[in-house]
Amino acid sequence: KAGVTQTPRYLIKTRGQQVTLSCSPISGHRSVSWYQQTPGQGLQFLFEYFSETQRNKGNFPGRFSGRQFSNSRSEMNVSTLELGDSALYLCASSFRGKTEAFFGQGTRLTVV
Amino acid sequence: DQQVKQNSPSLSVQEGRISILNCDYTNSMFDYFLWYKKYPAEGPTFLISISSIKDKNEDGRFTVFLNKSAKHLSLHIVPSQPGDSAVYFCAASVEQGAQKLVFGQGTRLTINP
Repeated sequence: KAGVTQTPRYLIKTRGQQVTLSCSPISGHRSVSWYQQTPGQGLQFLFEYFSETQRNKGNFPGRFSGRQFSNSRSEMNVSTLELGDSALYLCASSFRGKTEAFFGQGTRLTVV
Repeated sequence: DQQVKQNSPSLSVQEGRISILNCDYTNSMFDYFLWYKKYPAEGPTFLISISSIKDKNEDGRFTVFLNKSAKHLSLHIVPSQPGDSAVYFCAASVEQGAQKLVFGQGTRLTINP
């Protein structure tokens, strides 16, 4: 069974640009959540989607947004990139009602 | 305010011995706890979880203990193997089924041959 797939794996963007990251969950998983990992702040929850609806949101500015499609695939978007947005962005999927989430390998975003 | 804390950034253990990783939390609303393992360049891998109605959960070499009154949980790995060398994160959720996980900063475990 294929795991959570995130694309691209690595990305370099310039300050002020925007970026879109993609996540394909494990087949049958309809809940997708996103996390940001930085050396200073650790792993922080961004948002969670289920059935194309955002169910929960972390403490991030409105520049961070996401969506989920009818096939459960999800994208997150960061607009007006700042240097501090450089991080590993992780996507996780799970069955509805299960807290145990399965993570992808992440997208390493570098903002220069 | 860090609600989940792993106070030991690193831990070194001899192969075959017991590894004990600790985690403290401050939010009494947390109801479900998980441990994840992370290798470099990979996403975290789920290891074991425990509900607040239990004080122990075992899965093979991994056992998680929960002390609600002390707001403390620990992960025991027995016996430790070289492949266990990784960063371990504890995480907490306000309810089982909720997807919003609050993670600790992680503990880097090194198993020495």
